[in-house]
Amino acid sequence: EADIYQTPRYLVIGTGKKITLECSQTMGHDKMYWYQQDPGMELHLIHYSYGVNSTEKGDLSSESTVSRIRTEHFPLTLESARPSHTSQYLCASSGAPATEAFFGQGTRLTVV
Amino acid sequence: AQRVTQPEKLLSVFKGAPVELKCNYSYSGSPELFWYVQYSRQRLQLLLRHISRESIKGFTADLNKGETSFHLKKPFAQEEDSAMYYCAPPTQGGSEKLVFGKGTKLTVNP
Repeated sequence: EADIYQTPRYLVIGTGKKITLECSQTMGHDKMYWYQQDPGMELHLIHYSYGVNSTEKGDLSSESTVSRIRTEHFPLTLESARPSHTSQYLCASSGAPATEAFFGQGTRLTVV
Repeated sequence: AQRVTQPEKLLSVFKGAPVELKCNYSYSGSPELFWYVQYSRQRLQLLLRHISRESIKGFTADLNKGETSFHLKKPFAQEEDSAMYYCAPPTQGGSEKLVFGKGTKLTVNP
């Protein structure tokens, strides 16, 4: 079934650890996005990609990095997690222009 | 870049009352706009889009070019409408990013 998947759903990790949040989509979409969202708050675009080997930073500065080696896969990595990284991270994808974006279930990250 | 503004961070109404969530856009050309909704513990999803001119879950949204607005309306709010609502421009081609409005948290009280 065509969908967008994020793993893990929940992650509690200690300060200083390296983490990778996974995002995969089976819709063949060229564009993928990462948003950071605190509960009940606005969506902050932190990274996006418009194709393989293309990544751009979003509006909110983030210490995370992303890669796009395959069309369907857009992982986000934090080399050294800190409590300030505690948040929910949403991955999305979109196809043709002027269409909607599709979101994953999100990863709720807690850094202790 | 296409930008939208949602002036209300919080909106609280009673069940059965009308509700209007505001969205204004600030770009030229033929605007296409979307409303997304995020219910508690569910993923963010499309609610409705301007071009379809449809009513979803009793919600409608009319594009007003004179006021550059795309407000979301429902004549009789229900408790299950409580959610975060985001206004957004359409996705773009090429290297353009997608930036949502800041969102409005709607609470429908019994």
